[in-house]
Amino acid sequence: EPEVTQTPSHQVTQMGQEVILRCVPISNHLYFYWYRQILGQKVEFLVSFYNNEISEKSEIFDDQFSVERPDGSNFTLKIRSTKLEDSAMYFCASTDNRGGIAGAFFGQGTRLTVV
Amino acid sequence: GQQVMQIPQYQHVQEGEDFTTYCNSSTTLSNIQWYKQRPGGHPVFLIQLVKSGEVKKQKRLTFQFGEAKKNSSLHITATQTTDVGTYFCAGPRNTDKLIFGTGTRLQVFP
Repeated sequence: EPEVTQTPSHQVTQMGQEVILRCVPISNHLYFYWYRQILGQKVEFLVSFYNNEISEKSEIFDDQFSVERPDGSNFTLKIRSTKLEDSAMYFCASTDNRGGIAGAFFGQGTRLTVV
Repeated sequence: GQQVMQIPQYQHVQEGEDFTTYCNSSTTLSNIQWYKQRPGGHPVFLIQLVKSGEVKKQKRLTFQFGEAKKNSSLHITATQTTDVGTYFCAGPRNTDKLIFGTGTRLQVFP
């Protein structure tokens, strides 16, 4: 069964450093998403990406964040100048339709710990 | 902005008991989706409901979409320990944003 893969599974970084979280969406999917989940809390939307550009972003997704699809398979989330409150589980998701209308496929997540 | 609330926040049941989680949106939804997240895992898509009043079943799970398309419920009959996890409803806002509910964490005691 096709799956979304994310690397690394766990990233520890010093406050103020930049991190890049990587995702390989399912190959025939066209819509990509990043979500964030602070421990024990709900899954929060960060950004959606389609046709090589951001289609929607949340108020969380400020200038500290950026996304990129550098090639035909990878989808990355860059967090500049990390803060303690950026510590969370970051999930990548993909669908083959708008709004995840038939369900979004999530990766296993990257646990980001900012120290 | 659009809010999607779920109740209860936590539910502890004895194995074999039934369980229900309720989802309420502040706005009308074009569809409602349900996801399950096992402890330490990632959200896994369970089902999507589109029509007003729609009811769908998956084995012991029954999903319902309200007539006004602003609320939904998930009912599990005769829970098993494998049902443990957090159940999220999610609804699309605009076209490219899926808003997740606050989730209900289910604990099943053997």
